[in-house]
This record gives sequence, structure tokens and C-alpha cells, in this order.
Amino acid sequence: GEDVEQSLFLSVREGDSSVINCTYTDSSSTYLYWYKQEPGAGLQLLTYIFSNMDMKQDQRLTVLLNKKDKHLSLRIADTQTGDSAIYFCAEIPPGAGSYQLTFGKGTKLSVIP
Amino acid sequence: KAGVTQTPRYLIKTRGQQVTLSCSPISGHRSVSWYQQTPGQGLQFLFEYFSETQRNKGNFPGRFSGRQFSNSRSEMNVSTLELGDSALYLCASTPGGRTTGELFFGEGSRLTVL
Repeated sequence: GEDVEQSLFLSVREGDSSVINCTYTDSSSTYLYWYKQEPGAGLQLLTYIFSNMDMKQDQRLTVLLNKKDKHLSLRIADTQTGDSAIYFCAEIPPGAGSYQLTFGKGTKLSVIP
Repeated sequence: KAGVTQTPRYLIKTRGQQVTLSCSPISGHRSVSWYQQTPGQGLQFLFEYFSETQRNKGNFPGRFSGRQFSNSRSEMNVSTLELGDSALYLCASTPGGRTTGELFFGEGSRLTVL
């Protein structure tokens, strides 16, 4: 497909793990990103993964990359109410400029206390 | 260090008017990118400037233009506004050069076209 695809909504209970999935467009994309947008704010980079990696862990965040299936996931352990936000998956497709990211539509994560 | 600053934060225009949005990047950052965010289309790349030169441009009509000044501040302009131009316009800055592509975003300018 030509779009970066994500499910639109995810609801989890506080303390559970959240898993947000993404299918990106080009297996040659060098870097893949997860950005977070809180209400009324711009986007904030959460983490990124280089295409030669399968996994990256950063405190409560774990990113898994399956290049064969062009699948990227973000796992948030011990999800807190402060994690409620929209999460965007993004890539820089080959041939695009260094800062010309293609974003998914975003997954709205709701954390139930 | 101050973040990316966008002005104005909110504005309302009518169809046919034009609008200019401003972005001040993080000090020392030389690259500024602009994105349009709408509920229907999501985030779409408009253009990127580095050292006063447009390096990349997205798939938007010529009514959308931008520029960058010698102090790296950037403006974007939309002429002959249409209802569909209602959106959150996000500016992002980076140091420029070869990096991981991390973008530092401002809070955006929310444009409503009536």
C-alpha cells in the first residue's frame, strides 16, 4: 500500500501494557519513528529505530520491527493515564528528503484509570 | 533552550483571503519543515527549508509557499484560502545536515477558514 497504516483507537487499563501497531510502506526505509501528540500540542519524538535493528528498548517503551512484513510496533509497559495521547508511526521513504516524513493517521490511546 | 515557536496560535480567515504563518526554530537549528494536519488527511509534508533554500516540497498547490530568512526563521503563506485549508499547521526544526531525521515540533498554528 501507499499509506502508513495504523488502527485509529486503542483503550487499555492503567497498569496494563499497550501495543500500537503500524504497517509502513517501504521496506527500504532507513529510519522508522514513533511520535506522540498530546491534546493541543505539537508532536514529540518518542523513539526511533534504524532499519538494521529488530528491537529497541527505552525504559517503558519497546519497539519491534519486522522488515519482511513492513510491520512496526510500539509497546508501552505499565501504561499510565499520562500516556493518553495520539501516537504516530512515521517513515522516511527512499528518495524523500531527510526530513520529509510520511506519517500514519495516528492511534488514539485512551488509558482507563 | 527555547523550543520551536509558532505564531499566531489561532486565526480565523474567510475564503479568498491569504494568511502568513511564522515559525522560529530552536536556536542553532538551520532546517525548518512545515506540515499540515487535518482530521481527514492526517499529517502531510508541505516543504522544508535549509539555509534559506527550499530543499524539498510536498504535493500541495502553488497557493502554498514559504521562505526562510538568514536567521533561520521561516514563514509560510497560503493565498486564496479555501475551506479545505482549515488545519493545524505544524512547523518543525532540526539542526540540519546528516542526522537521524528527528524533528522538533512547535505547537502549531490552527487556521480556520470560513
